Amino acid sequence: SQKIEQNSEALNIQEGKTATLTCNYTNYSPAYLQWYRQDPGRGPVFLLLIRENEKEKRKERLKVTFDTTLKQSLFHITASQPADSATYLCAFMDTGRRALTFGSGTRLQVQP
Amino acid sequence: DAGITQSPRHKVTETGTPVTLRCHQTENHRYMYWYRQDPGHGLRLIHYSYGVKDTDKGEVSDGYSVSRSKTEDFLLTLESATSSQTSVYFCAISGDTGAGNEQYFGPGTRLTVT
Repeated sequence: SQKIEQNSEALNIQEGKTATLTCNYTNYSPAYLQWYRQDPGRGPVFLLLIRENEKEKRKERLKVTFDTTLKQSLFHITASQPADSATYLCAFMDTGRRALTFGSGTRLQVQP
Repeated sequence: DAGITQSPRHKVTETGTPVTLRCHQTENHRYMYWYRQDPGHGLRLIHYSYGVKDTDKGEVSDGYSVSRSKTEDFLLTLESATSSQTSVYFCAISGDTGAGNEQYFGPGTRLTVT
């Protein structure tokens, strides 16, 4: 079955640096891959979606890449700020069921 | 925030008792989902609905049932709660956009089964 993996260790970076989070999947490439942000005690919030035939997607300071050869998506936050500290989840959609399968998330801590 | 509410927000119940969690949306979205979130497991799909009275199982559906009699409400029932069902439960909704299916989540319900 399809699995999706994120680094379970927290990522600590200094304010102003670029944060890069990794999402790896097994087996087939999903048609869509999504990224969400989750703050403690709250539900996830949708950030970006990238399609299988797209290499890169940008939104303000956020950038997502999708490499179907490596079976990997990278999520970048440029000029990171302490307010970016949160857990970031990647997910892919099972097009047959229109349901998402989530990775377990990576916690990002941006130090001032 | 998308118009999604969950009730109750917190609940403590005893093993063997029935529990119903409610998700209510004001967005008129077609798709509704129930997930549970546990440390080390991330979000896992319990059940989802693709229309009124149309539901399907997710990867961790054992011990749970759902009902959707109106577009705006999706109920999750634990017929006989067990300690393994202690978790945070999230409801999500999604429109019928034909692509991507980004989801919007409620605030969650923290359930403790003692």
